[in-house]
Amino acid sequence: GAGVSQSPRYKVAKRGQDVALRCDPISGHVSLFWYQQALGQGPEFLTYFQNEAQLDKSGLPSDRFFAERPEGSVSTLKIQRTQQEDSAVYLCASSLVAGGRRSDTQYFGPGTRLTVL
Amino acid sequence: DAKTTQPNSMESNEEEPVHLPCNHSTISGTDYIHWYRQLPSQGPEYVIHGLTSNVNNRMASLAIAEDRKSSTLILHRATLRDAAVYYCILRDTTGNQFYFGTGTSLTVIP
Repeated sequence: GAGVSQSPRYKVAKRGQDVALRCDPISGHVSLFWYQQALGQGPEFLTYFQNEAQLDKSGLPSDRFFAERPEGSVSTLKIQRTQQEDSAVYLCASSLVAGGRRSDTQYFGPGTRLTVL
Repeated sequence: DAKTTQPNSMESNEEEPVHLPCNHSTISGTDYIHWYRQLPSQGPEYVIHGLTSNVNNRMASLAIAEDRKSSTLILHRATLRDAAVYYCILRDTTGNQFYFGTGTSLTVIP
């Protein structure tokens, strides 16, 4: 079956614009994660969903960042009033089981590269 | 939260074994050790994971120290397609988050 897909793959925004990044997880996967990866760094956790419930948003860097997964499948990460420091690759991952079990495998999408001018 | 320490970069000749080390001295008794790798312009992909015993799969082997404070990812015969950044990861206590660190950039020399 298809893996995790993300769109768009590349996004250029002017500072102050709002952007929306989409993630289509693997069908049937309960858990969904968003990560932010700055150039030359490892991915950093942003937020976690179990079905439609956002159970952990401790990694969101500011209130300009908002994520949703209203029907427990597709998720959208929205960034309002983008700033240059928001430039990064945004990765989405999904996993089969609930609760973020420590042995569970995460499947990652290719990411969306956001550049804020 | 437990963190990991890896060398920034390593080199290997093609078709030779590669041993990628990871230190995780603050690991808790229930933390699984995960390894992922990230090829250029791609998302991370799963390699292997383990808890206490050594693990083998088609991609690699994972050797875990008896005290669990370190582990080693073993690629038995490096190929050019193995050139990537390798991350050694521990899950946090809730299991929600992966702490990736900066990983080890592996260069495979033909």
